[in-house]
Amino acid sequence: DQQVKQNSPSLSVQEGRISILNCDYTNSMFDYFLWYKKYPAEGPTFLISISSIKDKNEDGRFTVFLNKSAKHLSLHIVPSQPGDSAVYFCAASGASGGSNYKLTFGKGTLLTVNP
Amino acid sequence: GAGVSQSPRYKVAKRGQDVALRCDPISGHVSLFWYQQALGQGPEFLTYFQNEAQLDKSGLPSDRFFAERPEGSVSTLKIQRTQQEDSAVYLCASSLLAGRLFFGEGSRLTVL
Repeated sequence: DQQVKQNSPSLSVQEGRISILNCDYTNSMFDYFLWYKKYPAEGPTFLISISSIKDKNEDGRFTVFLNKSAKHLSLHIVPSQPGDSAVYFCAASGASGGSNYKLTFGKGTLLTVNP
Repeated sequence: GAGVSQSPRYKVAKRGQDVALRCDPISGHVSLFWYQQALGQGPEFLTYFQNEAQLDKSGLPSDRFFAERPEGSVSTLKIQRTQQEDSAVYLCASSLLAGRLFFGEGSRLTVL
């Protein structure tokens, strides 16, 4: 049973436009959420995170929104650039019970930004 | 190097062979994690070390999987009597603070 779901396997966006990647989770104990970006043949790299005490976190072109009641988060990239083309993984962890180290990942969304 | 280093990058094993995958974490990172990423899936947690102590091995799929970090730095993931379902990319990650992981490039294991 997948606790973190990324229902869109792929997304194609025009350069300069907004990319919106979505993620849903089922475990209400999750209270820390992260996005990782992965290029082919490389390991995932940390992009941005958000704690459950916030509903928005922004870092340059990247913004993550968290809707706790809907158990939904999204990553917005504005403006999208061809170099953003990669697989994006949503991940979650829960501090309760000391399990904040154990990240649960979604299956990823392949973003393609077309020039 | 500055990042997490894993070796070998690629390993092909015949079914039944034992394999060992090595991870050199970022210097000073006390936490070390192993994840398994099957084709088309996200990484899945295998095990976690804090220094040399293995605090959680709940994700190891069977007793054929064994991980160690004897001196609190380099870690080895060993898989005995490999099976085809063990084919995956094995990712090592280290961190100073829980949650923000720095991943290596992974070791891709193919079991024939």
